[in-house]
Amino acid sequence: ILNVEQSPQSLHVQEGDSTNFTCSFPSSNFYALHWYRWETAKSPEALFVMTLNGDEKKKGRISATLNTKEGYSYLYIKGSQPEDSATYLCAFALYSGAGSYQLTFGKGTKLSVIP
Amino acid sequence: GAGVSQTPSNKVTEKGKYVELRCDPISGHTALYWYRQSLGQGPEFLIYFQGTGAADDSGLPNDRFFAVRPEGSVSTLKIQRTERGDSAVYLCASSLRDRATYNEQFFGPGTRLTVL
Repeated sequence: ILNVEQSPQSLHVQEGDSTNFTCSFPSSNFYALHWYRWETAKSPEALFVMTLNGDEKKKGRISATLNTKEGYSYLYIKGSQPEDSATYLCAFALYSGAGSYQLTFGKGTKLSVIP
Repeated sequence: GAGVSQTPSNKVTEKGKYVELRCDPISGHTALYWYRQSLGQGPEFLIYFQGTGAADDSGLPNDRFFAVRPEGSVSTLKIQRTERGDSAVYLCASSLRDRATYNEQFFGPGTRLTVL
């Protein structure tokens, strides 16, 4: 059974603080790691697809790093804003045959940014 | 363009009833996935379609669950004899079958199913 772990489970930060959270995943048979942001009552929004060891990706104030050898990825948010409040999910893409790249998700990190 | 849409957004039913959940993928996306998120868990894979065929149904929990995609576009997830444990958010995702984009999946907003 594939295990994808995220920590912390939830996080409260003040507006303007920077924060980061962790996703750990199996280090073997790596294909890709996805980060999603999921706001209540909306669709999960794709943030990053991480594919190569040492990858660093950035979108505005949000960035992510990847270490496939040790099996972890970090997501960083600089200068958190209330609109960053959401659940952040990471997902390990596993090729399961017949063209299926099913995603195995962690339980998510719920971020609340206090104005 | 339009994203993935799912209907209904909420469904409340009684134990033992039959329900259908609909997913309308992004136009041109040949791959379609269903996931289920139970309370306190991350989304879990249910079934994958490539075109009209269910290429991987290894995540369906039992034979009460069935899904179809008859014309290779809209998909319907069908649950017979619903149980309280089926209560969850059911998510649909679609993607291009394109290794250049690492088969990135685009999600709908989900259907929240509550079985009383």
